[in-house]
Amino acid sequence: DTGVSQDPRHKITKRGQNVTFRCDPISEHNRLYWYRQTLGQGPEFLTYFQNEAQLEKSRLLSDRFSAERPKGSFSTLEIQRTEQGDSAMYLCASSFLGGVSTDTQYFGPGTRLTVL
Amino acid sequence: AQTVTQSQPEMSVQEAETVTLSCTYDTSENNYYLFWYKQPPSRQMILVIRQEAYKQQNATENRFSVNFQKAAKSFSLKISDSQLGDTAMYFCAFERNNAGNMLTFGGGTRLMVKP
Repeated sequence: DTGVSQDPRHKITKRGQNVTFRCDPISEHNRLYWYRQTLGQGPEFLTYFQNEAQLEKSRLLSDRFSAERPKGSFSTLEIQRTEQGDSAMYLCASSFLGGVSTDTQYFGPGTRLTVL
Repeated sequence: AQTVTQSQPEMSVQEAETVTLSCTYDTSENNYYLFWYKQPPSRQMILVIRQEAYKQQNATENRFSVNFQKAAKSFSLKISDSQLGDTAMYFCAFERNNAGNMLTFGGGTRLMVKP
């Protein structure tokens, strides 16, 4: 079984450009999470999906950010009109919610975004 | 809202010795999960250990164990027989209700294991 994968691993862009990241969760995991981690800090929650439904969004997720999970499998996170403050590691995690208990969140390697 | 605090930004330990990382949290919830995650340099985050709040027994995983004090809202991680591969950032995390909700992370502790 493969783990959570993210693409690209690194992205350098100029301020004002749009960027899109992709996350492929562990197969059969129905929950998918996005977090943002700045250098030397712990990850901060952005949003999560159960199947294709986006259930919760953080206040950190401004209107320049949008996330989708159209078929309940992979997810994309798009940032429009990037700003230097968007520079961070964007982490994706997945888990399985079902039955009596939930499983652990498994993290991908992250996409490191640098906005020049 | 929940908060998680790790008061030790950096720690070091000699190989084969024992080290304890501290974590405190604040919540009004009664049912929740606590986690320790490890993030090695330039590598992805992996789960070290988790604790259910309703369980009084402290969780253990091989060389890793926790000291969970629910009344004090304290959740420390003990690493025994430290190995060079334990060098990493360690994050304490909180999940309310264990309903597949988001994790709230502390700021992390950078652990260096010295040979």
